[in-house]
Amino acid sequence: GAVVSQHPSWVICKSGTSVKIECRSLDFQATTMFWYRQFPKQSLMLMATSNEGSKATYEQGVEKDKFLINHASLTLSTLTVTSAHPEDSSFYICSARLPPREQFFGPGTRLTVL
Amino acid sequence: GENVEQHPSTLSVQEGDSAVIKCTYSDSASNYFPWYKQELGKRPQLIIDIRSNVGEKKDQRIAVTLNKTAKHFSLHITETQPEDSAVYFCASFNFGNEKLTFGTGTRLTIIP
Repeated sequence: GAVVSQHPSWVICKSGTSVKIECRSLDFQATTMFWYRQFPKQSLMLMATSNEGSKATYEQGVEKDKFLINHASLTLSTLTVTSAHPEDSSFYICSARLPPREQFFGPGTRLTVL
Repeated sequence: GENVEQHPSTLSVQEGDSAVIKCTYSDSASNYFPWYKQELGKRPQLIIDIRSNVGEKKDQRIAVTLNKTAKHFSLHITETQPEDSAVYFCASFNFGNEKLTFGTGTRLTIIP
């Protein structure tokens, strides 16, 4: 199956700093990628849809100025958590869509904000 | 928007017995229903899926049924094994907005 990678797999940062997470589709081109957040023992919640060459579409309640998404190429989307705070600590997972419908998930990035 | 409910939240079954997880969805436009298995700290892995024009699909010990009229679908695992222990998520997909909405998850524990 298709492979999606994420980097880094885990990151610890100080409150107030920014963190960038990369999501790459390794063996296919993805015009659409998705970013999810998963708190402990909870489900995956869609944060935003990332479309190559255009602005991301954010879900209700997700601050677009705090969670910056860039999808500059067909194989790379980045999520930057700006001015991170402890409540942003979570498991962030990206997925890339292989048309027509299947999504392949990255391994996730565990963010801990101290 | 779409809302997917999943039951039960936890399920313990004896090894060799069957496990059933049920989901309901709200958006009649949803037309694709995947099931994912997620182990602790790992990515969700697709284990089976079903399209809205199909009522049942089976893959070895795993089967999924869909009742489009009632807007519910179920995952059936037979002859359960310890390695089936994980969290299982149902999801619904809408081709129109390309969104995948997840259920709340079921923590399945297989008792040896």
